[in-house]
Amino acid sequence: AQKVTQAQTEISVVEKEDVTLDCVYETRDTTYYLFWYKQPPSGELVFLIRRNSFDEQNEISGRYSWNFQKSTSSFNFTITASQVVDSAVYFCALGPGGYNKLIFGAGTRLAVHP
Amino acid sequence: EAGVAQSPRYKIIEKRQSVAFWCNPISGHATLYWYQQILGQGPKLLIQFQNNGVVDDSQLPKDRFSAERLKGVDSTLKIQPAKLEDSAVYLCASSRDPEAFFGQGTRLTVV
Repeated sequence: AQKVTQAQTEISVVEKEDVTLDCVYETRDTTYYLFWYKQPPSGELVFLIRRNSFDEQNEISGRYSWNFQKSTSSFNFTITASQVVDSAVYFCALGPGGYNKLIFGAGTRLAVHP
Repeated sequence: EAGVAQSPRYKIIEKRQSVAFWCNPISGHATLYWYQQILGQGPKLLIQFQNNGVVDDSQLPKDRFSAERLKGVDSTLKIQPAKLEDSAVYLCASSRDPEAFFGQGTRLTVV
């Protein structure tokens, strides 16, 4: 089965706190992609990052960092020093077989309060 | 580079009526998708096109939903007749590389 689980439905933090969004995936494919998207109130899904299954190197981009661990089938996303503008729904997605068809998790709603 | 364009942004119809959504993908993107996002859930793929051919429509309710991609560019998604459970945001996306780029979606309310 191909599946993405985001166990955290909602997270509420105060500005400048660090926050980690969890993502666990299931697939039998050896080649696949993992993604994170941000959905602000405007509704558009904004691409944040892509990882392929052969690249377990963690990545940092500004205040964002991603931890990919195949051993635990996890692809977690950390925002450092959160800001109010980070408030959105964040989706983790799986692209099985290396194709673009995306299987999304249910999303985590992040609220950052001043 | 212009993004994925969708119209209309909002649509309210009564059940059993018909509705159509339009999508113009990013220029040069051969792959186009329609996703359905029900409130509080992640997007679910309805149909995937490669140029003007259907790659995957396994989750499209074909008794009421139809989609076409004219000349491998623009696409329309139609619902006929609509049901209350079709209330959702319909997202169009296009891609050339593995990542897909999404439009702002059409929010459909069926009353």
